[in-house]
Amino acid sequence: KQEVTQIPAALSVPEGENLVLNCSFTDSAIYNLQWFRQDPGKGLTSLLLIQSSQREQTSGRLNASLDKSSGRSTLYIAASQPGDSATYLCAPWDSGNTGKLIFGQGTTLQVKP
Amino acid sequence: DARVTQTPRHKVTEMGQEVTMRCQPILGHNTVFWYRQTMMQGLELLAYFRNRAPLDDSGMPKDRFSAEMPDATLATLKIQPSEPRDSAVYFCASGLVGSTDTQYFGPGTRLTVL
Repeated sequence: KQEVTQIPAALSVPEGENLVLNCSFTDSAIYNLQWFRQDPGKGLTSLLLIQSSQREQTSGRLNASLDKSSGRSTLYIAASQPGDSATYLCAPWDSGNTGKLIFGQGTTLQVKP
Repeated sequence: DARVTQTPRHKVTEMGQEVTMRCQPILGHNTVFWYRQTMMQGLELLAYFRNRAPLDDSGMPKDRFSAEMPDATLATLKIQPSEPRDSAVYFCASGLVGSTDTQYFGPGTRLTVL
């Protein structure tokens, strides 16, 4: 059974810092991997989707990498802003390309002005 | 701007009552997922449909939960009878699996069972 771990569970940084969120998963036979953002009391917003054949994806100040063989993904946020404060969730797709997502518990980020 | 819609957004009910949650997936998406989020368990997959056919509902308590997709524009999740431990946020998501597209989540239904 796939298990997803995100480290750290919570993070508080001053505005402007670059930071890295870590995600590890036990079953490397995943199809894709997605990073989501969740604001308090809100739904999930997809940030980046890394396809199985890719090693990284970039969108603005966000960069996500994927190493399937080691069961790891990282989300890099450059020049953090208070508006980045949210919970970030890592979700590998299952290996059968069913679209089923297995979520980690998330990293709650607070960026202080 | 296509989006997944869910109703109701909030529901407070008493133990034993029936609860029905509705989801309208994005038009053209072939897969619909139901997830539940709690503080203790995080996000868990309850069930999912492909082209309206149920593919996996192993995440649902079968004795009280049921999920259906009566047509391509509506998915329902029903709890009967509801229990306090069902209190959670229930999310619906839709996607076009088989493509490189992402999944899109609805805003969720926050259920409180007293």
